[in-house]
Amino acid sequence: DIVMTQTPLSSPVTLGQPASISCRSSQSLVHTNGNTYLSWLQQRPGQPPRLLIYEISNRFSGVPDRFSGSGAGTDFTLKISRVEAEDVGVYYCMQATQFPWTFGQGTKVEIK
Amino acid sequence: EVQLVESGGGLVKPGGSLRLSCAASGFTLNTYSMSWVRQAPGKGLEWVSSISSSSSHIYYADSVKGRFTISRDNAKNSLYLQMNSLRAEDTAVYYCARDSPRPYDYWGQGTLVTVSS
Repeated sequence: DIVMTQTPLSSPVTLGQPASISCRSSQSLVHTNGNTYLSWLQQRPGQPPRLLIYEISNRFSGVPDRFSGSGAGTDFTLKISRVEAEDVGVYYCMQATQFPWTFGQGTKVEIK
Repeated sequence: EVQLVESGGGLVKPGGSLRLSCAASGFTLNTYSMSWVRQAPGKGLEWVSSISSSSSHIYYADSVKGRFTISRDNAKNSLYLQMNSLRAEDTAVYYCARDSPRPYDYWGQGTLVTVSS
């Protein structure tokens, strides 16, 4: 199985400041079809997960443009340009390139 | 509007059984593969099982293989998870999620399964 490793596991951030989360996979996430199926999910407290970003850098419907994704191969990053109070929660990277799809451990974003 | 609503969770003794359901609305289930993902209290996300749109491909995590059975009834727009021989470590919130066209693009609110004597 592909192992997804996120850093940091906790990220205290000041409102209005940027935040960045890294995700590394144990093997390349480039599919044989050329696509890279790396997604980012957000889970607010008491809520189910929600898709934010798919295929490295594509924002899902309704996701604010302060969220952006980048990376390639085995190294990926989620950035929040200016953290707002509603961004508090746990963020997971996940890969859907190889079955079984696997998740990172999660990164908790909280306000300082 | 796409909606997924899980039901069927509850308290069950070790060795017992439960059947979870996931009712889909806002889209036609029969063209989408679907999954169950669980989250133990205070823990991260764990994939449990997936089923293709026609039920021709079914997959299970090693931790549930032989005990859980995923199925679907496209006519009823519903997904199911039959869970047998339940263990304490199966205690979790169980989510159904749509697998396509974007992996896990929609999730239900989840249903809590507690395995305890």
